[in-house]
Amino acid sequence: AQSVTQLGSHVSVSEGALVLLRCNYSSSVPPYLFWYVQYPNQGLQLLLKYTTGATLVKGINGFEAEFKKSETSFHLTKPSAHMSDAAEYFCAVSEMKTSYDKVIFGPGTSLSVIP
Amino acid sequence: KAGVTQTPRYLIKTRGQQVTLSCSPISGHRSVSWYQQTPGQGLQFLFEYFSETQRNKGNFPGRFSGRQFSNSRSEMNVSTLELGDSALYLCASSSSGGSEETQYFGPGTRLLVL
Repeated sequence: AQSVTQLGSHVSVSEGALVLLRCNYSSSVPPYLFWYVQYPNQGLQLLLKYTTGATLVKGINGFEAEFKKSETSFHLTKPSAHMSDAAEYFCAVSEMKTSYDKVIFGPGTSLSVIP
Repeated sequence: KAGVTQTPRYLIKTRGQQVTLSCSPISGHRSVSWYQQTPGQGLQFLFEYFSETQRNKGNFPGRFSGRQFSNSRSEMNVSTLELGDSALYLCASSSSGGSEETQYFGPGTRLLVL
């Protein structure tokens, strides 16, 4: 069965510092992996996704993530945090050629950016 | 083009009542999925509709139901509301509903059951 773990329910970084949000998954077949961001009182917005091909994925707003099969990880990074990055971040996994009932979301990590 | 819209944005109901939420997908999208988001359970899949047919269903009781119209707009209904139904209900649309596709989420409907 699939599952997603996000280490750290809350992460604080200083403005300009590196952002690292951790995501580990389990899946019995090659996964599709997603990172979403949710701002207060809004829905989820896709930051980036990995389906196949290059394991380093670049997304919007300067974020990127690397799929590491050996570590079953898909950590999200951004070199320099901005105040506008403060939000809730969700990692999600789905299995190839399945539909949305098989998409599993992690519990989320709340990111705070300190000026 | 316009994004996913959900109405109403906020709703207060009392236990035992029923509620209907609406979702209008992005133009041309035929798949609409519904999710429940709560602090305790996180994001959980409710159901997915494609071309007016429920294609997938999550692990929720029969009090939760939905439908999709020919223009792809979708509604979900919760009958006999319970306190635990208080949540943010999100809908998402995509072109055809494949798990590799990008889902576009609406802003959600926040339901409070008193």
